[in-house]
Amino acid sequence: GIQVEQSPPDLILQEGANSTLRCNFSDSVNNLQWFHQNPWGQLINLFYIPSGTKQNGRLSATTVATERYSLLYISSSQTTDSGVYFCAVGSGGGNKLTFGTGTQLKVEL
Amino acid sequence: DAGVIQSPRHEVTEMGQEVTLRCKPISGHNSLFWYRQTMMRGLELLIYFNNNVPIDDSGMPEDRFSAKMPNASFSTLKIQPSEPRDSAVYFCASSFRAPLANEQFFGPGTRLTVL
Repeated sequence: GIQVEQSPPDLILQEGANSTLRCNFSDSVNNLQWFHQNPWGQLINLFYIPSGTKQNGRLSATTVATERYSLLYISSSQTTDSGVYFCAVGSGGGNKLTFGTGTQLKVEL
Repeated sequence: DAGVIQSPRHEVTEMGQEVTLRCKPISGHNSLFWYRQTMMRGLELLIYFNNNVPIDDSGMPEDRFSAKMPNASFSTLKIQPSEPRDSAVYFCASSFRAPLANEQFFGPGTRLTVL
């Protein structure tokens, strides 16, 4: 099956700093989603981005499908950004997602 | 829209007992997924349905696990008998299956503890 690798595995930021999270995948995809799992365990949809670039407030994402990677940018980080960020991809005729192992982000004052 | 609804939110049971987890997908969605999250294995797909029909159950750990979707608005995941290694958070997700429009939305999860 498709492999999904995320980096870095852990990240500690000072409030106000910017960061870039990366997701590499091993095959062509027809679905790519970024999620934020908050400290209460909820999976929050950030972006549905199988290709191209999207922005939502302080967050933006870019997927370069031909090179099999996606980037999530967080600008002016806040303590509420803390949690785990997951990249998940879908490929083939099915509709299922394969998740990466996540990036654990902690934003400190 | 209310989003994906799961019940119960927390379940504590003893080894050997039957456990039933429930899910109501977003209205109008035609695909439903059951995932499990553990520290050791991360988030993994157990089974998914398209138009109420099970499509891929290759992620179901063993025969103790079963899932049904009797109609478009309800699904269950049953574990019988439960074992301590089944302790995990179980998520249900739904989507509308269409090219470039198949974003999945997750419920709040059921935290299962088997003693």
